[in-house]
Amino acid sequence: GQNIDQPTEMTATEGAIVQINCTYQTSGFNGLFWYQQHAGEAPTFLSYNVLDGLEEKGRFSSFLSRSKGYSYLLLKELQMKDSASYLCAVITDDYKLSFGAGTTVTVRA
Amino acid sequence: IAGITQAPTSQILAAGRRMTLRCTQDMRHNAMYWYRQDLGLGLRLIHYSNTAGTTGKGEVPDGYSVSRANTDDFPLTLASAVPSQTSVYFCASSEGSAYNEQFFGPGTRLTVL
Repeated sequence: GQNIDQPTEMTATEGAIVQINCTYQTSGFNGLFWYQQHAGEAPTFLSYNVLDGLEEKGRFSSFLSRSKGYSYLLLKELQMKDSASYLCAVITDDYKLSFGAGTTVTVRA
Repeated sequence: IAGITQAPTSQILAAGRRMTLRCTQDMRHNAMYWYRQDLGLGLRLIHYSNTAGTTGKGEVPDGYSVSRANTDDFPLTLASAVPSQTSVYFCASSEGSAYNEQFFGPGTRLTVL
């Protein structure tokens, strides 16, 4: 089976920075997605990495190291609306998406 | 319709009953997917379809079936529901393969008693 690990929960203060790590051991690797999911809602796309390095998109950045089987999502200038679950997902060698269990981020005032 | 819709929003079902969850998208996406989401387990792929007329099994297909008669619709059927199928079910679609961003429907919360 696929093994995708993320911390279960993280708490941070409004305006701060939080880094959500994701490590994976999967049957093949064809790219990695991060999705955001607010409570009771559908997941929505945040980022996609297939090459090593950092992808920046506004307050959110995503990093990938294929050799280390590691990615992180960096959330800067945290806002209350960033309280959500963040899902790491890997495209495996059968071209399907395999998800981690998600990290619930709570932003406090 | 805008995007991807699912019906019903929620359902309570007696064990042993048959149930079809509906999913419709208006984005003309080729690929569609069904996931279930359980606490602590994340999203798990049940079935998928890369294009109309074809379907494939995901990670947890047992007890479920799908069909893809046209591009827009991708229903998921539970032939004889069991309590372990209590979950939140998400339908998703993408333009092409798994390399493309998936767009998710609002989900169906199913409880099997």
